[in-house]
Amino acid sequence: DTEVTQTPKHLVMGMTNKKSLKCEQHMGHRAMYWYKQKAKKPPELMFVYSYEKLSINESVPSRFSPECPNSSLLNLHLHALQPEDSALYLCASSLRQGSGYGYTFGSGTRLTVV
Amino acid sequence: DAKTTQPNSMESNEEEPVHLPCNHSTISGTDYIHWYRQLPSQGPEYVIHGLTSNVNNRMASLAIAEDRKSSTLILHRATLRDAAVYYCILQLNYGGSQGNLIFGKGTKLSVKP
Repeated sequence: DTEVTQTPKHLVMGMTNKKSLKCEQHMGHRAMYWYKQKAKKPPELMFVYSYEKLSINESVPSRFSPECPNSSLLNLHLHALQPEDSALYLCASSLRQGSGYGYTFGSGTRLTVV
Repeated sequence: DAKTTQPNSMESNEEEPVHLPCNHSTISGTDYIHWYRQLPSQGPEYVIHGLTSNVNNRMASLAIAEDRKSSTLILHRATLRDAAVYYCILQLNYGGSQGNLIFGKGTKLSVKP
């Protein structure tokens, strides 16, 4: 298995809803990442997990809450989002965190906040 | 963050080689050079990466200048499926951002039949 699987592919949520995005990989990668991509912009790094521990939080608002329950799974919990949070949310993984490792990206969850 | 400079857009003809340039004059000795591409409505896809020597794989070749301040991604025979945004990224080997991929604006490649 050489893929990163993200579910759902599309999500529409209201500003008072709570939802979760899921990311899964079975490549034995021990670093996992969340990126946010607005339309016609490059992806922006949000969070980095290394060996299931949060390594980097790029000053992301607390309405985004990541979780890494095991080495294969990464979640992003969403609560009280704003319309400007509508974007493509990308998950990625690499063998380890550190220089020299390539990333495998999922196809993303397209989120619309109404 | 380490910065790369790429042309905003390039055009190519189908079945011809494509050379995508990238300048990275602030590169340090142990920073890796990565290339990813992103097709419309998809996540980025790994293309190739290297440190000092030129690299080849089934998708592309990476030519790295001797002083490492620039590199070129070479697609040997462009197809319509190669139309995408190509990102050249420096992966730092030090500091708080070690190992992270920080995307710049990339080059939008169009391929004409």
